[in-house]
Amino acid sequence: EPEVTQTPSHQVTQMGQEVILRCVPISNHLYFYWYRQILGQKVEFLVSFYNNEISEKSEIFDDQFSVERPDGSNFTLKIRSTKLEDSAMYFCASTSTGELFFGEGSRLTVL
Amino acid sequence: QQQVKQSPQSLIVQKGGISIINCAYENTAFDYFPWYQQFPGKGPALLIAIRPDVSEKKEGRFTISFNKSAKQFSLHIMDSQPGDSATYFCAARGSSNTGKLIFGQGTTLQVKP
Repeated sequence: EPEVTQTPSHQVTQMGQEVILRCVPISNHLYFYWYRQILGQKVEFLVSFYNNEISEKSEIFDDQFSVERPDGSNFTLKIRSTKLEDSAMYFCASTSTGELFFGEGSRLTVL
Repeated sequence: QQQVKQSPQSLIVQKGGISIINCAYENTAFDYFPWYQQFPGKGPALLIAIRPDVSEKKEGRFTISFNKSAKQFSLHIMDSQPGDSATYFCAARGSSNTGKLIFGQGTTLQVKP
């Protein structure tokens, strides 16, 4: 069964460092998303991406965040200068029909 | 208006019992209401979903009841099993054409053997 894959599964970084989280969406999907989940809290929308551009972003997705689809398979989330409050699970998701398929997440710990 | 409110925050049910989780929304433009199941350390996985033109949908032991006039929907898990122990999120999709889901706060379900 096709699945969304994410790397790394866990990353520890120092505050102020840049982090790139990587995702390989399901191959025939056209819409891509990043969500985040702070420990014990709900899943929050960050950004949606379609046709090589951001289609919607939340207020969380400020200038420190960026997304890119550098080739035909990868979808990345970059956090330019991490803050302590960026510590969370980051989930990538993709869809073609409206049903979102989520990856297993990347846990980011900012020290 | 973009919020989805979910209750209870946690739920303990005996094996074989019925688990009921409720959600409420304000935005009448929401057009799709999925439920996701999440095990520790895993991503959310779609369990069952409903559209507002249907009042009930059943898949196996899982049923969504949808009340459009009350702007509420609920998940019923019949014959709950210890393997159902997980966090459950309701969600709603708006009409922005981006497919963005807005999630409820989550319910941690524990099914005791």
